[in-house]
Amino acid sequence: EAAVTQSPRNKVAVTGGKVTLSCNQTNNHNNMYWYRQDTGHGLRLIHYSYGAGSTEKGDIPDGYKASRPSQENFSLILELATPSQTSVYFCASGDAGWGGADAEQFFGPGTRLTVL
Amino acid sequence: SQWGEENLQALSIQEGEDVTMNCSYKTYTTVVQWYRQKSGKGPAQLILIRSNEREKRSGRLRATLDTSSQSSSLSITGTLATDTAVYFCATLRGSALGRLHFGAGTQLIVIP
Repeated sequence: EAAVTQSPRNKVAVTGGKVTLSCNQTNNHNNMYWYRQDTGHGLRLIHYSYGAGSTEKGDIPDGYKASRPSQENFSLILELATPSQTSVYFCASGDAGWGGADAEQFFGPGTRLTVL
Repeated sequence: SQWGEENLQALSIQEGEDVTMNCSYKTYTTVVQWYRQKSGKGPAQLILIRSNEREKRSGRLRATLDTSSQSSSLSITGTLATDTAVYFCATLRGSALGRLHFGAGTQLIVIP
């Protein structure tokens, strides 16, 4: 049974529209992450969270917001979507403490977003 | 990139051959993780090697870490067609809670 799920799996949006990507994890992990994946760039961190109510900026946060209303759920929000945000988005969960020596991350299946 | 990265390449080999993929990083890390991503799926961790380990094995996988040269490698022996995937190394960013930086990845194609 999948421990990290994402919805929707595919999304087509219009420029200037609002898009919300959702992630749910049943691992009971404190930390959750949003990445985007583009060819040639690997995975780039957008936002992450240490627990319910917290969100932190990653490496490429501009144009994105995040929300962590509960331990299980973490959303990525594009208030004004642009074509440059066309990408595949991955959510992950993990339970690293300070030092992060065992910082394995468990990924969802991804959401393919196309902004026209 | 300021952080971990790999020698970006695509490798195509015959099933049964051995393969080694390399990763170099520019900033100190206490951990290097290797992930595999199959087509249409999210990445999944294969192996984790810590800075006090020079080598780690798991089944057909062998990871090495050389902290002096800030490089790591992942070797697969006796490849199978099912090993076809993109392989990433990931380094830990300082002490930030599990914040990883992923390299660009190596596309491995194993021809049956």
